Amino acid sequence: DGGITQSPKYLFRKEGQNVTLSCEQNLNHDAMYWYRQDPGQGLRLIYYSQIVNDFQKGDIAEGYSVSREKKESFPLTVTSAQKNPTAFYLCASSRANSAYEQYFGPGTRLTVT
Amino acid sequence: QKEVEQNSGPLSVPEGAIASLNCTYSDRGSQSFFWYRQYSGKSPELIMFIYSNGDKEDGRFTAQLNKASQYVSLLIRDSQPSDSATYLCAVKAVSGTYKYIFGTGTRLKVLA
Repeated sequence: DGGITQSPKYLFRKEGQNVTLSCEQNLNHDAMYWYRQDPGQGLRLIYYSQIVNDFQKGDIAEGYSVSREKKESFPLTVTSAQKNPTAFYLCASSRANSAYEQYFGPGTRLTVT
Repeated sequence: QKEVEQNSGPLSVPEGAIASLNCTYSDRGSQSFFWYRQYSGKSPELIMFIYSNGDKEDGRFTAQLNKASQYVSLLIRDSQPSDSATYLCAVKAVSGTYKYIFGTGTRLKVLA
């Protein structure tokens, strides 16, 4: 089955620790995205990548970092510099043409205490 | 700041009725429009997309786009309790960019 996987589903960390969230897709999509969703809020774009070895900052990139070494993978690191890291993190992907729809993974719920 | 606006709701409709969800957007150059359904605690699921003015039907769902008035709507016919969720409107920015702009969603409650 084609799709997007994110792991883990739930993640608990202590304040001050960096944590990396995994995102893998087998849809052969060129573009991948990371969003953050807070309770009762919309989706806010953290980073996106259109091709391998290239990525752009979204609206709330501070305190986050990404890499895109393979087409299938787009991991997100939440660093200790992120002031409010507790949130629901969603990875998404889409085909290269700018008209195409975006599909989401199941998400990772991160709790930092 | 390019925006997508939705009424947060909740929008309550009786089972079997038509639910009408609306979305307005500010960027006149937007080209692609999407509706996602998100159940509590889950990720968004794509249910409809529309690119051209007019109506697009898929089963019980109809998406309507009016670019002149800059709004897109979603109609759900024969609403079921299982349709109770938050519906997110998303707009793809102008050609050449890969950014999607999301509204904050409308919460729909279908009453049995």
